[in-house]
Amino acid sequence: QQPVQSPQAVILREGEDAVINCSSSKALYSVHWYRQKHGEAPVFLMILLKGGEQKGHEKISASFNEKKQQSSLYLTASQLSYSGTYFCGTEPPNFGNEKLTFGTGTRLTIIP
Amino acid sequence: NAGVTQTPKFRVLKTGQSMTLLCAQDMNHEYMYWYRQDPGMGLRLIHYSVGEGTTAKGEVPDGYNVSRLKKQNFLLGLESAAPSQTSVYFCAVKRNYGYTFGSGTRLTVV
Repeated sequence: QQPVQSPQAVILREGEDAVINCSSSKALYSVHWYRQKHGEAPVFLMILLKGGEQKGHEKISASFNEKKQQSSLYLTASQLSYSGTYFCGTEPPNFGNEKLTFGTGTRLTIIP
Repeated sequence: NAGVTQTPKFRVLKTGQSMTLLCAQDMNHEYMYWYRQDPGMGLRLIHYSVGEGTTAKGEVPDGYNVSRLKKQNFLLGLESAAPSQTSVYFCAVKRNYGYTFGSGTRLTVV
């Protein structure tokens, strides 16, 4: 069962902030975040592990609420290069058989 | 996408034809995956492998077969292509943290 992402699409002006949410109906071991630009492959941004801390680099960070089985991706002071489709991928606590189930994506458009 | 190579990049098939997509890694990772991506549906897992000689079904395995005879290579086969298999196919390799994806194969079945 795919995790649910919200919103499906968002348009921002350069410099504005955005939050993308990912929610699962199943228990999670980890949540991954990826960004995909048009016509390209998804690129790994970060991973959040059960029991881990909030991760981030530069102006992109994420949190993971294990009890609620939810994760949020935070983009601060957005840049034009942040445009693309963001996917969360969830991994259940099933060691030795790891596989990611991806959400349907959030399309982020940054305008000057 | 350094380290994960997919071939071919584009292909047009007629209904009923067969083909094989190749994914090759130049790393030494155990886990490899085949996903398909369709508009509005995100990435859906077709088959995956947790090591040489192993394969397992994902969410949408029907109409596809896979093989992992060598650790570096993961092959995806379509025995009798159908228009519903028109999609972009991505191979992925699990690293210590995160997946690395190949550049994709755009397949059209007419």
